[in-house]
Amino acid sequence: GENVEQHPSTLSVQEGDSAVIKCTYSDSASNYFPWYKQELGKRPQLIIDIRSNVGEKKDQRIAVTLNKTAKHFSLHITETQPEDSAVYFCAASPWRVEYGNKLVFGAGTILRVKS
Amino acid sequence: NAGVTQTPKFQVLKTGQSMTLQCAQDMNHEYMSWYRQDPGMGLRLIHYSVGAGITDQGEVPNGYNVSRSTTEDFPLRLLSAAPSQTSVYFCASTMTAGNTEAFFGQGTRLTVV
Repeated sequence: GENVEQHPSTLSVQEGDSAVIKCTYSDSASNYFPWYKQELGKRPQLIIDIRSNVGEKKDQRIAVTLNKTAKHFSLHITETQPEDSAVYFCAASPWRVEYGNKLVFGAGTILRVKS
Repeated sequence: NAGVTQTPKFQVLKTGQSMTLQCAQDMNHEYMSWYRQDPGMGLRLIHYSVGAGITDQGEVPNGYNVSRSTTEDFPLRLLSAAPSQTSVYFCASTMTAGNTEAFFGQGTRLTVV
């Protein structure tokens, strides 16, 4: 089955700096790669996602890149702000109509933005 | 439009007790799933359903049962609670082919003593 590894487990940056979180996956059948942000005691919320037919996607200060050959994808946050502090999870899914979204998550990265 | 609603938010069980975690969505999503979240391990898939009457096992199904009699509801049953099932449980739903975003409920924090 799919295995997703996420690094680093914790990341501290100064406000205004960039943050990069990296994930690798093992199953070449995975075709959907979302990133979730989870604040303490809250539900995971989607911040950005990418499909396997796209190499890069950007939404304001957040971008995701995907390298299918190397089976890794990364989250980039620019101009970090204190409200970006949270736990970030990457996930991979071999999305199919037959079984929908079987997300396999990484272990998470605790991001702390120091002001 | 409430999205995905889970009840209860908190629950304490004694070892051996059974209970049902409720999940309901009002978005007419076909796909629903249950995950558990343990410290340092991310979320792991327990069971999922692609529509009413259809369920299947995920990564960690042992000790749990599910059913999907309606599109809206997807309850998770703990048959005989064990301390290893202490966790935070999240229900999620996804729309249809062409839209892959999973929407999560607010979670149920379960403690088994």
